[in-house]
Amino acid sequence: GQQLNQSPQSMFIQEGEDVSMNCTSSSIFNTWLWYKQDPGEGPVLLIALYKAGELTSNGRLTAQFGITRKDSFLNISASIPSDVGIYFCAGQPPAGGTSYGKLTFGQGTILTVHP
Amino acid sequence: DAGVTQSPTHLIKTRGQQVTLRCSPKSGHDTVSWYQQALGQGPQFIFQYYEEEERQRGNFPDRFSGHQFPNYSSELNVNALLLGDSALYLCASSWGTDGYTFGSGTRLTVV
Repeated sequence: GQQLNQSPQSMFIQEGEDVSMNCTSSSIFNTWLWYKQDPGEGPVLLIALYKAGELTSNGRLTAQFGITRKDSFLNISASIPSDVGIYFCAGQPPAGGTSYGKLTFGQGTILTVHP
Repeated sequence: DAGVTQSPTHLIKTRGQQVTLRCSPKSGHDTVSWYQQALGQGPQFIFQYYEEEERQRGNFPDRFSGHQFPNYSSELNVNALLLGDSALYLCASSWGTDGYTFGSGTRLTVV
């Protein structure tokens, strides 16, 4: 099935470092979502972006909706051990289209934080 | 306020069997979507239910079917199970343009 291009696939960083990951798509999305998934759990929503160019923060997390509506990035500042997990981007197409309501996910970025 | 509840949490089935997974949406949510997540992959959209009807469907065979009840809860049925159906099955609920809330999933193993 279709997936977004998410990079990097994995990151190994030291506690306190900043992290950046991004997603690109060949299709336009009206909504970009960033989720975190811990082992054995479902994805938990971190940040939702609804407008091209939008920059939104949630604590140490900052995400942006690309101007072209085909990309988004997530930054985590001053990483801590509990940031460990898998981060997914997801896009939702415009309303009225045949795929509205369907989220398309990236393949995930595995984040490891060394104390 | 309970979030999305899925049952069972784990399930082991034999090839060829049929399975039913259940989902109760978050309070106030009326739309339920189902996703399949293979190991090491992002979730893949199976289908979405709204007002007891299938509104959207992903690229999954007819062996995958679903149902939504008047109380908005939903079931995912998979017939003639294949080894490749082994995955984490996630249910997500939403209302309007609110972000989707996911359950913890059902881990299905087909042997």
